[in-house]
Amino acid sequence: DSGVTQTPKHLITATGQRVTLRCSPRSGDLSVYWYQQSLDQGLQFLIQYYNGEERAKGNILERFSAQQFPDLHSELNLSSLELGDSALYFCASRDSPWGTDTQYFGPGTRLTVL
Amino acid sequence: DAKTTQPNSMESNEEEPVHLPCNHSTISGTDYIHWYRQLPSQGPEYVIHGLTSNVNNRMASLAIAEDRKSSTLILHRATLRDAAVYYCILRDVRSGGSNYKLTFGKGTLLTVNP
Repeated sequence: DSGVTQTPKHLITATGQRVTLRCSPRSGDLSVYWYQQSLDQGLQFLIQYYNGEERAKGNILERFSAQQFPDLHSELNLSSLELGDSALYFCASRDSPWGTDTQYFGPGTRLTVL
Repeated sequence: DAKTTQPNSMESNEEEPVHLPCNHSTISGTDYIHWYRQLPSQGPEYVIHGLTSNVNNRMASLAIAEDRKSSTLILHRATLRDAAVYYCILRDVRSGGSNYKLTFGKGTLLTVNP
């Protein structure tokens, strides 16, 4: 158990819909990262937040957005869903910049778009 | 991000040592070498990381070539639970203390035979 929680575990929805994925980082971790894992693209970085502020963006589509709240949990919002958005979505948290330089991953949310 | 090259797959027998190679010929002096693994149906998990010297922890050992152009992750006695995809990732410490992402390649799929 990494200490990072993600809900829901599974999500099945239809094209055109909007969903929200939730992530709670390990206690005390300020950074949250979102990754997408699909069969054809592998694990790809989407976006990072640090203490409520966006810090880095990767291959995140404009239809996707994220935020980190004052209690440090984060949400990834996916809208106008397409079949190709079906994937595993992982969030990770990282300990302090002066810590072990390790990212701790949650169990993921499996999104299926029908 | 500097690139790493790993074999697509490797096979091992239970209770035997496993040496997982990684080539990173364009590594810079400020790149740390990280290894993560992803067990089936789980999020990636940290294994080990190092800069120049060989490193040991409870999970594995990391042997780094003197010129740092390659490294080897060593599992001393493989168990069935070690069957996973192993990722070798370079992380530039200059990218900042509070923002960095992990760039995953395709990794090496390790199969452990009973």
